[in-house]
Amino acid sequence: GQNIDQPTEMTATEGAIVQINCTYQTSGFNGLFWYQQHAGEAPTFLSYNVLDGLEEKGRFSSFLSRSKGYSYLLLKELQMKDSASYLCGWRGGATNKLIFGTGTLLAVQP
Amino acid sequence: DTGVSQDPRHKITKRGQNVTFRCDPISEHNRLYWYRQTLGQGPEFLTYFQNEAQLEKSRLLSDRFSAERPKGSFSTLEIQRTEQGDSAMYLCASSPSWESYEQYFGPGTRLTVT
Repeated sequence: GQNIDQPTEMTATEGAIVQINCTYQTSGFNGLFWYQQHAGEAPTFLSYNVLDGLEEKGRFSSFLSRSKGYSYLLLKELQMKDSASYLCGWRGGATNKLIFGTGTLLAVQP
Repeated sequence: DTGVSQDPRHKITKRGQNVTFRCDPISEHNRLYWYRQTLGQGPEFLTYFQNEAQLEKSRLLSDRFSAERPKGSFSTLEIQRTEQGDSAMYLCASSPSWESYEQYFGPGTRLTVT
């Protein structure tokens, strides 16, 4: 991904909590996104942060620190169906195109 | 179903052939994006339409690639003289306005060039 770093793979246990970190570098930042993508399927929107702080949505939360170029996605009460790739991306430019990282492949084990 | 649709879902072609993909965005979404995704990578931006106007093209979009959105509704992406390196998932996404932060992705067209 372009100036976006996130771990390639993570493993966690069903019922546990996992945090996926993302760091980015950009001068044209206009929001940080997290998408979930199951194998062979389209990315689906999870969360959006444009201001610093924590956004909570059910079992998923996302945090942003613009000064540090840092975000994380927190998944609670992990379920097997959460096994997927999690894409961190920022929106920028006049067209609001999304620039994604390589994604973090999360494997949830029983 | 009112989501973004793409056709075909899968395309296998021989090197050197031309292929064309279609994307139907969500009705009344005036912003349309094409992305390309290879295995183990995140989607990479290719091009952007606002209504019928193509306003941005990535450097990834070589002269063998062309995209259109003639009436501001559906869009087509054509690849001429395909190469094995073109093998990827081609994703289309749409959003209703600049203020809307979410892009809705279609299921993608998986292209395999043999």
